[in-house]
Amino acid sequence: DAMVIQNPRYQVTQFGKPVTLSCSQTLNHNVMYWYQQKSSQAPKLLFHYYDKDFNNEADTPDNFQSRRPNTSFCFLDIRSPGLGDTAMYLCATSGPGLRGDTQYFGPGTRLTVL
Amino acid sequence: QKEVEQNSGPLSVPEGAIASLNCTYSDRGSQSFFWYRQYSGKSPELIMSIYSNGDKEDGRFTAQLNKASQYVSLLIRDSQPSDSATYLCAVNRGGNAGNMLTFGGGTRLMVKP
Repeated sequence: DAMVIQNPRYQVTQFGKPVTLSCSQTLNHNVMYWYQQKSSQAPKLLFHYYDKDFNNEADTPDNFQSRRPNTSFCFLDIRSPGLGDTAMYLCATSGPGLRGDTQYFGPGTRLTVL
Repeated sequence: QKEVEQNSGPLSVPEGAIASLNCTYSDRGSQSFFWYRQYSGKSPELIMSIYSNGDKEDGRFTAQLNKASQYVSLLIRDSQPSDSATYLCAVNRGGNAGNMLTFGGGTRLMVKP
């Protein structure tokens, strides 16, 4: 089945130790998003790619970077995680299909920074 | 003022009752509205989208949109314990923001057997 896959599902890292989260999709969607969701809060958009064009939200910390080497894959790099970066990280996609503005989420990666 | 507002709940309803979830938004230019269901520890799952004023029904779910009053609601008929989750309202920012969604904080629904 076409889907959005995130790896790993759970990640524990130490304060300041770089971490990379990955997202892949078989939907052939041209837009990919990264969200951060802290406990009992709304998902917060960090950045998105429209094809290869990278778009950063104004309040996304510089500590967060992203790469999209091809249509299928997107990575979230956290260069020096802090305790406040403990959260669920959600990847979503949208693209041509039923409605271009509908976003489909992967299962998420739960990151814990110790 | 938050862009998308929801009552955080919890909203508690007995099994078989109608659950009514509400959402208001501030941007009059918004054109697309979505309801996502999120179980604890899981990712959001799209359950309804609505684009025009009025009602849209899908099984036990009905989404209602009133652009003049800037609110969107979700009714769940014959509520089941498996409907217990947090329901997120999302609004497409529209305009130059393209497909960007703004989420409300979610309403936690509890359906009691």
